[in-house]
Amino acid sequence: AQSVAQPEDQVNVAEGNPLTVKCTYSVSGNPYLFWYVQYPNRGLQFLLKYITGDNLVKGSYGFEAEFNKSQTSFHLKKPSALVSDSALYFCAVRETGSARQLTFGSGTQLTVLP
Amino acid sequence: KAGVTQTPRYLIKTRGQQVTLSCSPISGHRSVSWYQQTPGQGLQFLFEYFSETQRNKGNFPGRFSGRQFSNSRSEMNVSTLELGDSALYLCASSPMTSGNNEQFFGPGTRLTVL
Repeated sequence: AQSVAQPEDQVNVAEGNPLTVKCTYSVSGNPYLFWYVQYPNRGLQFLLKYITGDNLVKGSYGFEAEFNKSQTSFHLKKPSALVSDSALYFCAVRETGSARQLTFGSGTQLTVLP
Repeated sequence: KAGVTQTPRYLIKTRGQQVTLSCSPISGHRSVSWYQQTPGQGLQFLFEYFSETQRNKGNFPGRFSGRQFSNSRSEMNVSTLELGDSALYLCASSPMTSGNNEQFFGPGTRLTVL
């Protein structure tokens, strides 16, 4: 079975400060991990993914995520938050070699305060 | 390359009616997945089609069905609509099923059941 948890429903951060959106996962084997962002009344947009290799993955709009196998985490980070980063963020997982669908977390609403 | 398109964008129906939603994937993508998004349940997987075959199915009643055509376009149908079916229905496409491919989402169809 595969699952993903986003422990924070809401994250608030001041503009210019670093931001972190947390994600932990559970798979039987190795994971493929993804981050998506959703703006109001829009579909999800792909930000970045971890397949294998370097634990630090860089993605769109200055976002990056760090894969930590021992902690089964894949937290999304950005060094300096922008007001325009305010959106709903989803973490997703699929076990490597699995034919199962992507499993999404419950989402974290990020609000960047000016 | 054009993105994933969904039609219609907004739909209002009454209980007991049926509805058909359409999704055109990115050119060359053969996998189409459908999701239901609601404030209470989050993002829930409905089903995935690849090469006109249903590959995965989520935990939804038989009132929810889908199909995929030879040009990879997909439709989903909901019969005997209930108030709880009000949601944003998202379609996502990817080049292949499963694996490390990210999904590309359409803008969604907002269904309101009165």
